[in-house]
Amino acid sequence: EAGVTQFPSHSVIEKGQTVTLRCDPISGHDNLYWYRRVMGKEIKFLLHFVKESKQDESGMPNNRFLAERTGGTYSTLKVQPAELEDSGVYFCASSLGYTGTSYEQYFGPGTRLTVT
Amino acid sequence: AQSVTQPDIHITVSEGASLELRCNYSYGATPYLFWYVQSPGQGLQLLLKYFSGDTLVQGIKGFEAEFKRSQSSFNLRKPSVHWSDAAEYFCAVGAIKAAGNKLTFGGGTRVLVKP
Repeated sequence: EAGVTQFPSHSVIEKGQTVTLRCDPISGHDNLYWYRRVMGKEIKFLLHFVKESKQDESGMPNNRFLAERTGGTYSTLKVQPAELEDSGVYFCASSLGYTGTSYEQYFGPGTRLTVT
Repeated sequence: AQSVTQPDIHITVSEGASLELRCNYSYGATPYLFWYVQSPGQGLQLLLKYFSGDTLVQGIKGFEAEFKRSQSSFNLRKPSVHWSDAAEYFCAVGAIKAAGNKLTFGGGTRVLVKP
């Protein structure tokens, strides 16, 4: 069974440019999450999709970040325009459900974003 | 609001020695608790989890953790460390809610294994 995949693995862009990160969850997982770790800080929650609906987007830092999950499969996270403080590692995770053992979140390898 | 504290940023341990990583959480009810590991160049891998029941939880790679409600702790242990255990370890708490289950992570503990 394929795990959570993320693309690209690394991205280096200039301040003001746009970047789109992609996440493919484990097949059949309705729940998809985005997290971010900026240098030296904790991994922080950004948002949670249940199928194509945003269940919780309380962690999104500002309106320069736009997440979508069309059709309830893969998700994209767009940063436009990128700022220096957006640099970090962006993780995607997926889970089957949100109770009991289906709560377990499986993480992808992350996308390292560097804004120069 | 829930929070997680991992007091040790770095730990150095000799190969074959025991390892204990500390984790304290703050949450208003019984949480779901997790330990994840991130090896160099890899994503986060779940080591073990606590949902309910037996407070001593066994995980993969020989790790175990004990949930202590009175101390709000969920410390991770391994009796004998291997060089491949060098990695960064994250404790996380999940809220038990009707819907939505974001994880709150601690700052991580980086483990260095000496030969």
